[in-house]
Amino acid sequence: AQSVAQPEDQVNVAEGNPLTVKCTYSVSGNPYLFWYVQYPNRGLQFLLKYITGDNLVKGSYGFEAEFNKSQTSFHLKKPSALVSDSALYFCAVRDRPNNNAGNMLTFGGGTRLMVKP
Amino acid sequence: NAGVTQTPKFRILKIGQSMTLQCTQDMNHNYMYWYRQDPGMGLKLIYYSVGAGITDKGEVPNGYNVSRSTTEDFPLRLELAAPSQTSVYFCATVRTGVYNEQFFGPGTRLTVL
Repeated sequence: AQSVAQPEDQVNVAEGNPLTVKCTYSVSGNPYLFWYVQYPNRGLQFLLKYITGDNLVKGSYGFEAEFNKSQTSFHLKKPSALVSDSALYFCAVRDRPNNNAGNMLTFGGGTRLMVKP
Repeated sequence: NAGVTQTPKFRILKIGQSMTLQCTQDMNHNYMYWYRQDPGMGLKLIYYSVGAGITDKGEVPNGYNVSRSTTEDFPLRLELAAPSQTSVYFCATVRTGVYNEQFFGPGTRLTVL
């Protein structure tokens, strides 16, 4: 079975400082990994994904994530945080190859990012 | 191109009532999903569909039913609503392919009193 852990319920960072939102995963094979962001009263929006190739993945709004196979981690990062980045962030994973289960994702519990001016 | 739309946005039900949450997509995606999000929690998969006429249970299907008669529509039916079904419900779609990201609707906030 696949699982995802986001060990921090909340991350606080000052505007302009770098931010990291942590994610670790567990799958039986090689993973597909995703980050989504949720703003208040909205659905989830896709930020970035790791499928294969370069371990550093760049996504929307200046976010990037680093895939680390040995540590089974996929931490989300941004060099300089903005107040507008304040939101709920979800990490998600699915196993490869296709498990014939409709491309199902397993989501972490979410991390609330608070960026203060 | 509206993407994924959900109706209603909000609903209050009494215990034992029934309702249908609507989800429609105009992206011609084959895969569709229903999730629930409880306060402070991640998303739990209720049901999913890999195409018209095909549905299957997710992690938390009890108390819910779905149908998929067309590619566009994937309604979620609640029979005999219970307070434990108070949650925010999200519909999502994926273009066929094992590594494509999901597109989410704006959600339906349901309260059962």
